[in-house]
Amino acid sequence: RKEVEQDPGPFNVPEGATVAFNCTYSNSASQSFFWYRQDCRKEPKLLMSVYSSGNEDGRFTAQLNRASQYISLLIRDSKLSDSATYLCVVNQAGTALIFGKGTTLSVSS
Amino acid sequence: NAGVTQTPKFRVLKTGQSMTLLCAQDMNHEYMYWYRQDPGMGLRLIHYSVGEGTTAKGEVPDGYNVSRLKKQNFLLGLESAAPSQTSVYFCASSYSGGSGRFFGPGTRLTVL
Repeated sequence: RKEVEQDPGPFNVPEGATVAFNCTYSNSASQSFFWYRQDCRKEPKLLMSVYSSGNEDGRFTAQLNRASQYISLLIRDSKLSDSATYLCVVNQAGTALIFGKGTTLSVSS
Repeated sequence: NAGVTQTPKFRVLKTGQSMTLLCAQDMNHEYMYWYRQDPGMGLRLIHYSVGEGTTAKGEVPDGYNVSRLKKQNFLLGLESAAPSQTSVYFCASSYSGGSGRFFGPGTRLTVL
């Protein structure tokens, strides 16, 4: 099983749609979880951390399911500007963060 | 507050040439990292540093060397460039090992 797995997509949705991405991880001892956003030919940018109780930041909601070892990202009311690649990131141990290969989202008008 | 900066932004090398990529951060972070990103491979850790004067190997360290002489700077060196090192290189920093990384804008390197 790969350490961090994501559906590469692409997810093609219209403006205003709700879209959800899942990510599974293999190390049950992982402690820190993040979602990053990466625009084409740009650096990854931290979108949000993922907490055990789940957390929300505006239109974005992140959830963690430790029992099933997956995290999710929900985007409500999608905007054109949400088009990007979303990277799931999991702390392996100590200093090691493992990056997923990303899920591509394309929002169209 | 510039965050993480990288120089140069672009570079073309011939096989066998050497070069140094410079990374600087002004967030007073202890941890700094060098990653490479290739199509279909995701981000892979080359080397990292947990503080001034320290360095450690990451997932793909071969062919690279690093130095952290000052807390704010982290240098990545290629002693003898190979076409397999054609990639986008990102520097990053973080407050701690388990915290989120802040990335620089990247260096696009082509080795002919």
